[in-house]
Amino acid sequence: EDKVVQSPLSLVVHEGDTVTLNCSYEVTNFRSLLWYKQEKKAPTFLFMLTSSGIEKKSGRLSSILDKKELFSILNITATQTGDSAIYLCAVFEAGNNRKLIWGLGTSLAVNP
Amino acid sequence: DSGVTQTPKHLITATGQRVTLRCSPRSGDLSVYWYQQSLDQGLQFLIQYYNGEERAKGNILERFSAQQFPDLHSELNLSSLELGDSALYFCASSAGTSGGPGDTQYFGPGTRLTVL
Repeated sequence: EDKVVQSPLSLVVHEGDTVTLNCSYEVTNFRSLLWYKQEKKAPTFLFMLTSSGIEKKSGRLSSILDKKELFSILNITATQTGDSAIYLCAVFEAGNNRKLIWGLGTSLAVNP
Repeated sequence: DSGVTQTPKHLITATGQRVTLRCSPRSGDLSVYWYQQSLDQGLQFLIQYYNGEERAKGNILERFSAQQFPDLHSELNLSSLELGDSALYFCASSAGTSGGPGDTQYFGPGTRLTVL
């Protein structure tokens, strides 16, 4: 069965720390891997990754995909309280029933 | 603001009732997805429509149904509501169905359903 597993489930850090969030997957027909940030409302899109080894970067956030080892990481440097959120990873399964398969998320709390 | 709109924002109803949730996708997007999010289960994919046709089905109960209209807005109908149906219901839209670059799903603000 296709699945996406995120770790850790939850972490608490101080402002200024760097964090690494992990997403591993077992999906038969991989098309892309996406990261979303969810605060108290709807998930907002961060990155889409389709190729191994190519880093996507947006400000203090960056992400990379390893299609051989079947995982992705999301790095956040110099964390701020505004980074506190649930970070969701999803993999697009491109078989007959094309859909996103979601992880349960990593809850990040950044304390001042 | 993602450009995806959902109404209503909140809905409180009793068990056994039926409700309709509405979603308008981003301008130009042909795909609409419905998700249910509860505290203990994370985001659960329910169903997808593409240009008016059902495209993919997830964990959607038989008591739930959806459709996409010619103007591309979509409605999710939930009937014979149970306490366990209380959740956030999100709609997302994307340009197509490839799941590749340029086909990202953008989420609406959600409808919070409470069943009493």
